Amino acid sequence: DQQVKQNSPSLSVQEGRISILNCDYTNSMFDYFLWYKKYPAEGPTFLISISSIKDKNEDGRFTVFLNKSAKHLSLHIVPSQPGDSAVYFCAASARAAGNKLTFGGGTRVLVKP
Amino acid sequence: EPEVTQTPSHQVTQMGQEVILHCVPISNHLYFYWYRQILGQKVEFLVSFYNNEISEKSEIFDDQFSVERPDGSNFTLKIRSTKLEDSAMYFCASRLGQQFYGYTFGSGTRLTVV
Repeated sequence: DQQVKQNSPSLSVQEGRISILNCDYTNSMFDYFLWYKKYPAEGPTFLISISSIKDKNEDGRFTVFLNKSAKHLSLHIVPSQPGDSAVYFCAASARAAGNKLTFGGGTRVLVKP
Repeated sequence: EPEVTQTPSHQVTQMGQEVILHCVPISNHLYFYWYRQILGQKVEFLVSFYNNEISEKSEIFDDQFSVERPDGSNFTLKIRSTKLEDSAMYFCASRLGQQFYGYTFGSGTRLTVV
C-alpha cells in the first residue's frame, strides 16, 4: 500500500535550524492530513493537521504546508530542538471512507546539539 | 491530559494460542480503532468500531480477529489462533467525534508470537 509515502527515511539537522519533512500521496479522496511524532516504545502523538481546504496550518514551531495539485505536504519545524528527535509519520484520511488513517513509512529525525 | 491506556505492554504467546489485547479509550470518546505496526513496516489500519459495531475493517482483519467493547470502558482485540506473522506492535486509538485533533493513540502492546 503506497498511497502515502515519505521518501526520506532519515533526516539529521543541527539544533536551531529548520527541519523539513516531506510526504506524498496518491489518493485524490484524501481530504485530511495529520503529522504524528513517535518515540520508541510509545504510541504516535498527534502534532498538527491540515484540511484539504487549506494550504497552510501553523502551531508554534510546527507548520504544515499542503500542495493539493502536487499531492504533497510538508512539515516544517523551526527552530529544531534536541527533544524533537523522533520518528515522524504523515497520515491521511478520507472522511467519506470512514476516517481511518493511512500512514507513511516515517522519517527518523535526529537533531544534533 | 486524557490518555488511551493499553495493557499489557508486552505479550509473548505460543503460535496457535488465543490472545486478548486490552485498551481503555478516553472516557467520552465514541470511535475506537486498532492499528498495528510490524517491525520495520508502516502503521496499518485494522478495524474501526462505533456504536457497538464494526464500522470498517481492513483485509488484515480476517476471521481470526475480533473486537469487543464488553463494558462502558474497555475495548479489546482478540486473535483466536496466533501466527508468527501476527508479531507486531498493536495500537489502540480513540476519537471523540468528527474532529481529527482528538484522534489519540495508546502506547501500544508488543505482541511476540513464538
